[in-house]
Amino acid sequence: AQKITQTQPGMFVQEKEAVTLDCTYDTSDPSYGLFWYKQPSSGEMIFLIYQGSYDQQNATEGRYSLNFQKARKSANLVISASQLGDSAMYFCAMREGPNDYKLSFGAGTTVTVRA
Amino acid sequence: DTEVTQTPKHLVMGMTNKKSLKCEQHMGHRAMYWYKQKAKKPPELMFVYSYEKLSINESVPSRFSPECPNSSLLNLHLHALQPEDSALYLCASSPRRAGEGYGYTFGSGTRLTVV
Repeated sequence: AQKITQTQPGMFVQEKEAVTLDCTYDTSDPSYGLFWYKQPSSGEMIFLIYQGSYDQQNATEGRYSLNFQKARKSANLVISASQLGDSAMYFCAMREGPNDYKLSFGAGTTVTVRA
Repeated sequence: DTEVTQTPKHLVMGMTNKKSLKCEQHMGHRAMYWYKQKAKKPPELMFVYSYEKLSINESVPSRFSPECPNSSLLNLHLHALQPEDSALYLCASSPRRAGEGYGYTFGSGTRLTVV
């Protein structure tokens, strides 16, 4: 069964606007971590933001914020004030359990920012 | 130093060649990973090393042979590869336990082409 679901294969956004990337997850473990990564065409996987399952507040990192809705098992990424350099593939990922190694990745969403 | 360094960045090899991919980190992380990523797909886990011991092998063909000589280095030895093995190979590292931090840090990858 798919553990991480990203339903938007591709999105276009106008420069300076906000964009929301959807991510839903499936786990029965009460302890888990959710990650968002950005992968430009160069290939490097860049860490953006992290949300722990026990974190009370939604995570924020600069222009990135995570809309964590635990009951709905969703962890959407919001990018505010989009820039041309935000054009990339974005992956949602989950680590289950407090000491597990494995990251399960979603299929990814390609974001294209238009000038 | 918060980097994972991978060499080479690009590699073209014949099906009868033997080559190695290298990965290095100096963050004190005790878990290291190899991922394989095909174009426009999420990374797929190949191997996990924990405290320099192989912990997970995701049923990877024996033509891929990992090695962890010490806590900072991870190698992937390649022999008799097939054209379908052409992909981006990503190395990552992380703290072994959640209490030591949560971050998975990825290298920029090696783009492998098998001819």
